[in-house]
Amino acid sequence: NAGVTQTPKFQVLKTGQSMTLQCAQDMNHEYMSWYRQDPGMGLRLIHYSVGAGITDQGEVPNGYNVSRSTTEDFPLRLLSAAPSQTSVYFCASSRTLADTEAFFGQGTRLTVV
Amino acid sequence: GQQVMQIPQYQHVQEGEDFTTYCNSSTTLSNIQWYKQRPGGHPVFLIQLVKSGEVKKQKRLTFQFGEAKKNSSLHITATQTTDVGTYFCAVINQGGKLIFGQGTELSVKP
Repeated sequence: NAGVTQTPKFQVLKTGQSMTLQCAQDMNHEYMSWYRQDPGMGLRLIHYSVGAGITDQGEVPNGYNVSRSTTEDFPLRLLSAAPSQTSVYFCASSRTLADTEAFFGQGTRLTVV
Repeated sequence: GQQVMQIPQYQHVQEGEDFTTYCNSSTTLSNIQWYKQRPGGHPVFLIQLVKSGEVKKQKRLTFQFGEAKKNSSLHITATQTTDVGTYFCAVINQGGKLIFGQGTELSVKP
Protein backbone atom coordinates (compact mmCIF):
# COMPACT_ATOMS: atom_id res chain seq x y z
CA ASN A 1 0.00 0.00 0.00
CA ALA A 2 1.91 3.05 -1.31
CA GLY A 3 -0.54 5.73 -0.11
CA VAL A 4 -0.14 8.99 -2.03
CA THR A 5 2.64 9.10 -4.60
CA GLN A 6 3.86 12.36 -6.11
CA THR A 7 6.31 12.78 -8.95
CA PRO A 8 8.73 14.37 -9.52
CA LYS A 9 10.29 15.26 -6.17
CA PHE A 10 12.29 18.13 -7.60
CA GLN A 11 11.89 20.18 -10.77
CA VAL A 12 13.45 23.28 -12.27
CA LEU A 13 11.55 25.07 -15.01
CA LYS A 14 12.24 28.06 -17.13
CA THR A 15 9.67 30.86 -17.20
CA GLY A 16 7.00 30.06 -19.74
CA GLN A 17 7.49 26.30 -19.74
CA SER A 18 4.63 23.99 -18.93
CA MET A 19 4.66 20.80 -16.93
CA THR A 20 2.47 18.33 -15.09
CA LEU A 21 2.90 17.27 -11.49
CA GLN A 22 1.65 13.74 -11.02
CA CYS A 23 -0.32 12.47 -8.05
CA ALA A 24 -1.69 8.98 -7.54
CA GLN A 25 -3.34 7.29 -4.56
CA ASP A 26 -4.16 3.61 -4.09
CA MET A 27 -6.59 3.94 -1.17
CA ASN A 28 -9.73 4.44 -3.26
CA HIS A 29 -10.20 7.88 -1.77
CA GLU A 30 -12.88 10.14 -3.18
CA TYR A 31 -11.37 13.46 -2.21
CA MET A 32 -8.06 14.68 -3.63
CA SER A 33 -6.47 18.10 -3.49
CA TRP A 34 -3.40 20.11 -4.36
CA TYR A 35 -1.73 22.59 -2.02
CA ARG A 36 1.23 24.87 -2.34
CA GLN A 37 3.41 25.73 0.62
CA ASP A 38 5.36 28.96 0.83
CA PRO A 39 7.26 30.33 3.83
CA GLY A 40 4.92 32.04 6.28
CA MET A 41 1.85 31.23 4.17
CA GLY A 42 1.01 27.77 5.38
CA LEU A 43 -0.70 25.39 2.97
CA ARG A 44 -2.90 27.06 0.40
CA LEU A 45 -5.45 25.08 -1.57
CA ILE A 46 -5.03 25.24 -5.35
CA HIS A 47 -7.66 22.83 -6.71
CA TYR A 48 -9.58 19.90 -5.36
CA SER A 49 -11.79 17.06 -6.50
CA VAL A 50 -14.61 15.24 -4.73
CA GLY A 51 -14.63 12.37 -7.19
CA ALA A 52 -13.78 11.26 -10.71
CA GLY A 53 -14.91 13.83 -13.25
CA ILE A 54 -15.45 16.56 -10.65
CA THR A 55 -12.98 19.34 -9.89
CA ASP A 56 -13.24 22.77 -8.32
CA GLN A 57 -11.07 25.74 -7.51
CA GLY A 58 -9.40 26.39 -4.22
CA GLU A 59 -7.89 29.58 -2.79
CA VAL A 60 -5.14 30.11 -5.39
CA PRO A 61 -6.17 28.43 -8.69
CA ASN A 62 -4.77 30.90 -11.22
CA GLY A 63 -2.08 29.45 -13.48
CA TYR A 64 -3.00 25.85 -12.70
CA ASN A 65 -5.30 23.26 -14.27
CA VAL A 66 -6.44 19.90 -12.98
CA SER A 67 -8.45 16.94 -14.19
CA ARG A 68 -9.73 13.80 -12.51
CA SER A 69 -10.38 11.13 -15.11
CA THR A 70 -9.92 8.28 -12.63
CA THR A 71 -10.33 7.89 -8.88
CA GLU A 72 -6.61 7.20 -8.50
CA ASP A 73 -5.00 10.07 -10.39
CA PHE A 74 -5.15 13.83 -9.96
CA PRO A 75 -2.49 15.63 -12.04
CA LEU A 76 -1.72 19.31 -11.65
CA ARG A 77 -0.74 21.24 -14.77
CA LEU A 78 1.21 24.44 -14.85
CA LEU A 79 0.27 26.12 -18.11
CA SER A 80 3.05 28.71 -18.39
CA ALA A 81 5.36 28.67 -15.40
CA ALA A 82 6.17 31.91 -13.63
CA PRO A 83 8.72 32.62 -10.86
CA SER A 84 5.78 33.25 -8.50
CA GLN A 85 4.97 29.55 -8.83
CA THR A 86 8.23 28.57 -7.17
CA SER A 87 6.99 26.59 -4.20
CA VAL A 88 6.61 23.19 -2.62
CA TYR A 89 3.52 21.38 -3.90
CA PHE A 90 1.66 18.74 -1.95
CA CYS A 91 -1.03 16.40 -3.15
CA ALA A 92 -3.41 15.00 -0.55
CA SER A 93 -6.27 12.52 -0.48
CA SER A 94 -8.93 11.54 2.01
CA ARG A 95 -11.72 8.96 2.08
CA THR A 96 -14.38 11.64 2.08
CA LEU A 97 -14.18 15.33 2.73
CA ALA A 98 -16.28 15.83 5.79
CA ASP A 99 -14.59 14.09 8.65
CA THR A 100 -11.61 12.03 7.65
CA GLU A 101 -7.89 12.60 7.78
CA ALA A 102 -5.94 13.75 4.77
CA PHE A 103 -2.94 11.73 3.58
CA PHE A 104 -0.19 13.73 1.93
CA GLY A 105 2.34 12.87 -0.72
CA GLN A 106 6.03 13.56 -0.21
CA GLY A 107 5.86 16.87 -2.05
CA THR A 108 7.39 18.38 -5.18
CA ARG A 109 9.87 21.20 -4.83
CA LEU A 110 9.48 23.37 -7.92
CA THR A 111 11.77 26.21 -8.90
CA VAL A 112 10.93 28.51 -11.80
CA VAL A 113 13.83 30.57 -13.11
CA GLY B 1 -14.57 32.52 2.81
CA GLN B 2 -13.54 30.63 5.89
CA GLN B 3 -10.45 32.02 7.53
CA VAL B 4 -8.59 30.37 10.33
CA MET B 5 -5.87 32.23 12.18
CA GLN B 6 -3.10 30.35 13.89
CA ILE B 7 -0.72 31.84 16.45
CA PRO B 8 2.10 32.16 17.12
CA GLN B 9 3.90 31.82 13.81
CA TYR B 10 7.14 30.76 15.51
CA GLN B 11 7.97 29.41 18.95
CA HIS B 12 11.44 28.69 20.27
CA VAL B 13 11.61 26.72 23.51
CA GLN B 14 14.20 25.06 25.67
CA GLU B 15 13.85 21.30 25.84
CA GLY B 16 11.54 20.45 28.71
CA GLU B 17 9.45 23.61 28.41
CA ASP B 18 5.82 23.50 27.40
CA PHE B 19 4.44 24.70 24.07
CA THR B 20 1.00 25.80 22.94
CA THR B 21 -0.36 26.80 19.54
CA TYR B 22 -3.80 28.30 19.02
CA CYS B 23 -6.23 28.25 16.13
CA ASN B 24 -9.08 30.77 15.91
CA SER B 25 -12.03 31.08 13.58
CA SER B 26 -14.63 33.83 13.20
CA THR B 27 -17.32 31.25 12.47
CA THR B 28 -18.47 28.08 14.16
CA LEU B 29 -16.59 25.01 12.99
CA SER B 30 -18.00 21.55 12.36
CA ASN B 31 -14.69 20.01 13.32
CA ILE B 32 -10.98 20.77 13.38
CA GLN B 33 -7.96 18.70 12.51
CA TRP B 34 -4.33 19.01 13.58
CA TYR B 35 -1.28 18.03 11.53
CA LYS B 36 2.46 17.95 12.14
CA GLN B 37 5.09 18.53 9.48
CA ARG B 38 8.69 17.65 10.28
CA PRO B 39 11.38 19.76 8.60
CA GLY B 40 11.66 18.70 4.98
CA GLY B 41 8.68 16.38 5.33
CA HIS B 42 5.01 16.34 4.56
CA PRO B 43 2.05 17.05 6.86
CA VAL B 44 0.92 14.08 8.93
CA PHE B 45 -2.48 13.86 10.56
CA LEU B 46 -2.49 13.95 14.35
CA ILE B 47 -6.11 14.17 15.46
CA GLN B 48 -9.60 15.43 14.74
CA LEU B 49 -11.89 17.18 17.24
CA VAL B 50 -15.63 17.26 16.70
CA LYS B 51 -17.48 17.96 19.93
CA SER B 52 -17.82 21.26 21.76
CA GLY B 53 -15.34 21.42 24.65
CA GLU B 54 -13.68 18.18 23.58
CA VAL B 55 -10.26 17.37 25.02
CA LYS B 56 -8.09 14.59 23.64
CA LYS B 57 -4.64 13.48 24.67
CA GLN B 58 -1.85 11.69 22.84
CA LYS B 59 1.00 11.08 25.28
CA ARG B 60 2.44 14.59 25.90
CA LEU B 61 0.08 16.28 23.41
CA THR B 62 -3.26 17.71 24.55
CA PHE B 63 -5.81 18.93 22.03
CA GLN B 64 -8.77 21.07 22.97
CA PHE B 65 -11.84 22.30 21.08
CA GLY B 66 -13.50 25.43 22.43
CA GLU B 67 -16.99 25.41 23.87
CA ALA B 68 -18.23 27.63 21.05
CA LYS B 69 -16.38 25.53 18.45
CA LYS B 70 -14.56 28.61 17.20
CA ASN B 71 -11.11 27.91 18.56
CA SER B 72 -8.76 25.09 19.34
CA SER B 73 -5.40 24.57 20.94
CA LEU B 74 -2.57 22.06 20.88
CA HIS B 75 -0.42 21.87 24.00
CA ILE B 76 2.80 19.90 24.31
CA THR B 77 4.06 19.18 27.80
CA ALA B 78 7.81 18.99 28.39
CA THR B 79 8.94 19.37 24.80
CA GLN B 80 11.57 17.09 23.31
CA THR B 81 13.77 17.58 20.27
CA THR B 82 11.57 15.10 18.43
CA ASP B 83 8.70 17.61 18.68
CA VAL B 84 10.45 19.97 16.26
CA GLY B 85 8.36 20.85 13.22
CA THR B 86 5.42 22.91 12.08
CA TYR B 87 1.98 22.29 13.53
CA PHE B 88 -1.08 23.09 11.46
CA CYS B 89 -4.75 23.23 12.21
CA ALA B 90 -7.18 22.57 9.38
CA VAL B 91 -10.90 23.16 9.00
CA ILE B 92 -13.57 22.47 6.42
CA ASN B 93 -15.05 25.73 5.23
CA GLN B 94 -18.62 26.38 4.18
CA GLY B 95 -17.69 25.59 0.60
CA GLY B 96 -16.51 22.13 1.57
CA LYS B 97 -12.81 22.87 1.20
CA LEU B 98 -10.14 21.74 3.66
CA ILE B 99 -8.34 24.95 4.66
CA PHE B 100 -5.16 25.10 6.71
CA GLY B 101 -3.97 27.67 9.18
CA GLN B 102 -0.60 29.34 8.63
CA GLY B 103 1.10 26.93 10.99
CA THR B 104 3.27 27.32 14.07
CA GLU B 105 6.91 26.43 13.64
CA LEU B 106 8.37 24.93 16.80
CA SER B 107 12.08 24.76 17.46
CA VAL B 108 13.47 23.05 20.55
CA LYS B 109 16.89 23.83 21.94
CA PRO B 110 18.51 20.83 23.65
